[in-house]
This record gives sequence, C-alpha cells and structure tokens, in this order.
Amino acid sequence: DTEVTQTPKHLVMGMTNKKSLKCEQHMGHRAMYWYKQKAKKPPELMFVYSYEKLSINESVPSRFSPECPNSSLLNLHLHALQPEDSALYLCASSPYRVTNTEAFFGQGTRLTVV
Amino acid sequence: AQSVTQPDIHITVSEGASLELRCNYSYGATPYLFWYVQSPGQGLQLLLKYFSGDTLVQGIKGFEAEFKRSQSSFNLRKPSVHWSDAAEYFCAVIEGSQGNLIFGKGTKLSVKP
Repeated sequence: DTEVTQTPKHLVMGMTNKKSLKCEQHMGHRAMYWYKQKAKKPPELMFVYSYEKLSINESVPSRFSPECPNSSLLNLHLHALQPEDSALYLCASSPYRVTNTEAFFGQGTRLTVV
Repeated sequence: AQSVTQPDIHITVSEGASLELRCNYSYGATPYLFWYVQSPGQGLQLLLKYFSGDTLVQGIKGFEAEFKRSQSSFNLRKPSVHWSDAAEYFCAVIEGSQGNLIFGKGTKLSVKP
C-alpha cells in the first residue's frame, strides 16, 4: 500500500466555521507534511511532523492548527479562515531521515472559503 | 538555501514530438532531485528521482532525466509526447534533514494534435 489518503476531497466553509482536513498513510512513514498550493503556483510547505512531533512550522497563521494523533494520521484543523486561504491542501509522507527515497503525496483537499 | 528554477512557464509541443523541460538547481553538494507531474486539481505523482550514481535516470511513462553537475541541471525528456502528457510538471529538491521539498514554479505542458 503506497497510498496517502486525504479526506474530504472538496470542502466549502464559511469564515466562521471550524473544519478539519484528514490525512492517512499505512506505509510506516514517520515524517508527514502539509503543503498549500494556490492556483497556478507550486506547493509550499506549511508543517512537518517527525515521529508525531511538530518539527517545522513555516510561519503559518494560527488559524491553521496541525495535529498528529498517531504515526498514521495527520490532521489540519481550520478555524476563522479567510477567502485567500482557498487552495489545494496536499498531505505527503516519507520515511524519516531516509533521504534516498521520495515523498508520497495524497490527492489533496480542494478548500474554498466563502 | 537550496532552490530550483524552471525557466519555462508554458511549453506547447505536437503529439509525437520530443520534449525537454528544463530545471536548474542551486546547491553546493549533490542534491536529491525529483520530477513530479500534476494533472489539474490532482495530487503530485513522482516521475523520477536522482540521488546518486548513474546520471541518466529512467522514470515512469517513458520519461528520463539527466543530472549534469557542470550545468547544475536536471532536465526532463521524453522522445515522443502523448496527448495524455499534458499537465503541470514540477522539479523539486529536498531541503534539510526533514525530507521537505522545495519546488520550482512549474512548467505547464500543452500537447497539440
């Protein structure tokens, strides 16, 4: 199983809503990532979790709150988002500190903030 | 900091023609380099990767790339393009020890019949 599964595939939320994005992998990877991709732009790193601990936060606003409840799951909790936060949110995983391998990406969650 | 540059924003080729997408990297040591492809609204699929060894790397879907240290390049090639190859192509490099990727701005490939 080399899949990273993201749910939901699409999400529309109001600026006062609270929602969560979910990411799951069963490859035994101990590094997991959230990337944000705006239209016609490359993915940009938001967060890195290594062994369920947050190791990189790329100065992301606090309205985005990541959580890694176990080695297979990664959540992104959303609250009080702005319309400019509308984007494709990509989750990825890779073996930790095994640099001769690639990251596996999920299909993404298309988020629209209204 | 490491970086990758994709000089071409948009390339159009005829179906059956050859393709070369350019990627230049900036890094002092040997970088870990990747090419990913993304169809509209989809996630990223790995085409190929280079870590060390043979500088000509074979990937999926008939793609290959050549690592040239002297030119700091990792160009993607395909001898005969199919209409289904139309997509966005990203060159990427690993930054740091956490395995996180730095992406180029991408090249959009259009294929005309």
